[in-house]
Amino acid sequence: EVKLVESGGGLVQPGRSLKLSCAASGFSFNDYWMGWVRQAPGKGLEWIGEINQDSSTINYTPSLKDKFTISRDNAQNTLYLQMSKLGSEDTAIYYCAREEDYSSSLDAWGQGASVTVSS
Amino acid sequence: DIQMTQSPASLSASLEEIVTITCKASQGIDDYLSWYQQKPGKSPQLLIYDATSLADGVPSRFSGSRSGTQYSLKISRPQVDDSGIYYCLQSYSTPDTFGAGTKLELK
Repeated sequence: EVKLVESGGGLVQPGRSLKLSCAASGFSFNDYWMGWVRQAPGKGLEWIGEINQDSSTINYTPSLKDKFTISRDNAQNTLYLQMSKLGSEDTAIYYCAREEDYSSSLDAWGQGASVTVSS
Repeated sequence: DIQMTQSPASLSASLEEIVTITCKASQGIDDYLSWYQQKPGKSPQLLIYDATSLADGVPSRFSGSRSGTQYSLKISRPQVDDSGIYYCLQSYSTPDTFGAGTKLELK
């Protein structure tokens, strides 16, 4: 069974950093592109970015490129999202997702990690 | 960035209707279009990929189509369990972009 489990969320003060993890199981992690999507309270889905199998290509949505860093550890089957200079606008549920090979659709999602930025 | 204009924002439908949700891309996306269903408090689930292909385990009452740069998700004879919010996603060029979502209520 394909499983993605996010962790590392919580309450963080404005201006601080936070790193989310996504543990993958049930599939060959190093064969897939992986991505992050977030959803602010009561809002729609926002694509954050993606990383390819060997981390040689990482794409971001432009507005988050200077604040967020995506990485992965294939030996640990884990995807990461390092977030810096957090503001209230970054309060959201953060999902990791697996990208299907050819269509780049997101065919498996984690349950989400909640991040609240507040003093 | 490619803009995805999704409509309607919300709709209420009966169980006998055919429900149609559309997403219009601001430019050609070569069918790199997928549809997702999200229920309250849950993560999104893939319904359709490559504009018309049904994801594993998705009921056949869901279908996808394209006309020009407008993509449609159709639900034939929806079930009460199909209530939720539906999103389209273009993955033709980065940044990938989602439609704003359609909230479907079944009565």
